[in-house]
Amino acid sequence: ETGVTQTPRHLVMGMTNKKSLKCEQHLGHNAMYWYKQSAKKPLELMFVYNFKEQTENNSVPSRFSPECPNSSHLFLHLHTLQPEDSALYLCASRPFSGGAGEQYFGPGTRLTVT
Amino acid sequence: GQQLNQSPQSMFIQEGEDVSMNCTSSSIFNTWLWYKQDPGEGPVLLIALYKAGELTSNGRLTAQFGITRKDSFLNISASIPSDVGIYFCAGQRQAGTALIFGKGTTLSVSS
Repeated sequence: ETGVTQTPRHLVMGMTNKKSLKCEQHLGHNAMYWYKQSAKKPLELMFVYNFKEQTENNSVPSRFSPECPNSSHLFLHLHTLQPEDSALYLCASRPFSGGAGEQYFGPGTRLTVT
Repeated sequence: GQQLNQSPQSMFIQEGEDVSMNCTSSSIFNTWLWYKQDPGEGPVLLIALYKAGELTSNGRLTAQFGITRKDSFLNISASIPSDVGIYFCAGQRQAGTALIFGKGTTLSVSS
């Protein structure tokens, strides 16, 4: 059982579309993360939010726009994506970003850009 | 940027066999984590290690934090079909810094 949920689980979008990914955590954590997972590559950290404030943007293109309205919810707004953006997008949470280790992941959204 | 070397890349074993995989780094880490990812799902935390030399078990899984603090090992004893998946190591250099992930070890178990 996971305390982190993500919707939708699968998404197919054209390059001119605008869509949003949603993440919700039920663990009472204060830090939330977006990762991109591509085949044969390590997980790539995209964004970090701590107490709703963005604390890290890992040189992510502006066509990805995160939003964190509160400590339990995290969104990733997508617009004018490229086919190479197709990947599994994972959300994770942790008690707070300044601590050690353990992050808990959601099931991911499988994104396909056509 | 910093990378972890995780090996082997893949393993094909028979049910009942023991499995070993490891992760190495050129830098010292304060935390090592091991995750398992099933197809179509997110990574699930298996074991967390916080001290050099620490040996921690979770059922048939045992992980160790290397004494040099530059490596970690995961062993699975008496493998079963549901052990199939991708196992990731992750390290953290110090509190508050980002996790760095290995590329994963894909485990296949035949019965």
